[in-house]
Amino acid sequence: AQRVTQPEKLLSVFKGAPVELKCNYSYSGSPELFWYVQYSRQRLQLLLRHISRESIKGFTADLNKGETSFHLKKPFAQEEDSAMYYCALTSVTGGGNKLTFGTGTQLKVEL
Amino acid sequence: ETGVTQSPTHLIKTRGQQVTLRCSSQSGHNTVSWYQQALGQGPQFIFQYYREEENGRGNFPPRFSGLQFPNYSSELNVNALELDDSALYLCASRNGQETYGYTFGSGTRLTVV
Repeated sequence: AQRVTQPEKLLSVFKGAPVELKCNYSYSGSPELFWYVQYSRQRLQLLLRHISRESIKGFTADLNKGETSFHLKKPFAQEEDSAMYYCALTSVTGGGNKLTFGTGTQLKVEL
Repeated sequence: ETGVTQSPTHLIKTRGQQVTLRCSSQSGHNTVSWYQQALGQGPQFIFQYYREEENGRGNFPPRFSGLQFPNYSSELNVNALELDDSALYLCASRNGQETYGYTFGSGTRLTVV
């Protein structure tokens, strides 16, 4: 069975400080990892996926298979980064694909 | 119309009743998934439909069922509602050729009393 763990419910940082949102996973196959974000009063949206290896809004995430981690990082937090962040893993089930989400981390960027 | 729309936005039902939630997927998206998000939790996969057939199911009992229609709309039906069914129900759609890029709706908040 697959599982995604986000150990922090809330992470509070000051504007300009580095941010790291932790995500660990367990999955027997070859995982595909994602970060989804939900801004206040908005719907859940894809932030980035490990396969693309791109930086979105200054955020990056590297898949570390040895540590089974996919931490989300940003060197300098901005006020607009305040949101709920979910780490997710995709797996194939019966021919389809499902996302397994972590419980989420609320990021609060303070001035 | 672009995007994923869900209706209703809020709903209150009594334990034992049945409920139908609706989702209109983004045009061209032939795969739709439904998720349940309880308070303080991440979304949990209920099931997925591809070209009107269920092709994946999470750990939910049979009283959770669904339908997908040719016009990219879908339904989630829940029978014999229980108090623990109170949650936000999310619909997500994508093009079946992709393994990512789900577009999520805003959800339906179901309260069972």
